[in-house]
Amino acid sequence: QKEVEQNSGPLSVPEGAIASLNCTYSDRGSQSFFWYRQYSGKSPELIMFIYSNGDKEDGRFTAQLNKASQYVSLLIRDSQPSDSATYLCAVIGNKLVFGAGTILRVKS
Amino acid sequence: EAGVAQSPRYKIIEKRQSVAFWCNPISGHATLYWYQQILGQGPKLLIQFQNNGVVDDSQLPKDRFSAERLKGVDSTLKIQPAKLEDSAVYLCASSSARTPNEQFFGPGTRLTVL
Repeated sequence: QKEVEQNSGPLSVPEGAIASLNCTYSDRGSQSFFWYRQYSGKSPELIMFIYSNGDKEDGRFTAQLNKASQYVSLLIRDSQPSDSATYLCAVIGNKLVFGAGTILRVKS
Repeated sequence: EAGVAQSPRYKIIEKRQSVAFWCNPISGHATLYWYQQILGQGPKLLIQFQNNGVVDDSQLPKDRFSAERLKGVDSTLKIQPAKLEDSAVYLCASSSARTPNEQFFGPGTRLTVL
């Protein structure tokens, strides 16, 4: 079992729709959770972090954390073509581990 | 505020050759990270420095990889000798003491080993 698992995608959504990206992790002691966006050929960019169970909203982005289910998600509302990228989930337990990422394609 | 600087941006070498990458973190950031990102995978932490001390190098292949951060500012990652499977993007990131979990990444060095 991988430490951080993501569906590789691609996830295709129409412009203006909600994109839902999911991530599960294996280390039950994990405390910090991050979402990074990575455009093709570029380096990762931090877009959200969450430490507590529940939802955290920042503009069009909402991170959701459920520690009991070992599940973290990212919702992108009003998706734009510029949101097309790979979204990496990262988890800190005893070390920082990244998932392989989900490719998101927003079609105009 | 200047971002994380890395050089070179691209490097092509033959297997068994040596290569070195350089990173200058954001000014004032005490923590520096080196990651390896193979195509289609997420970044894998190779080594983490806190000032000039090593915090975590558990995933660094120490038989061929070495890294140093002598003055607690910039850092060098070396591979000697390189193997075909070392072809990847090498990313450097840094974070501050105030927000240690928020890492800022440099543009990366794309290494191709032939």
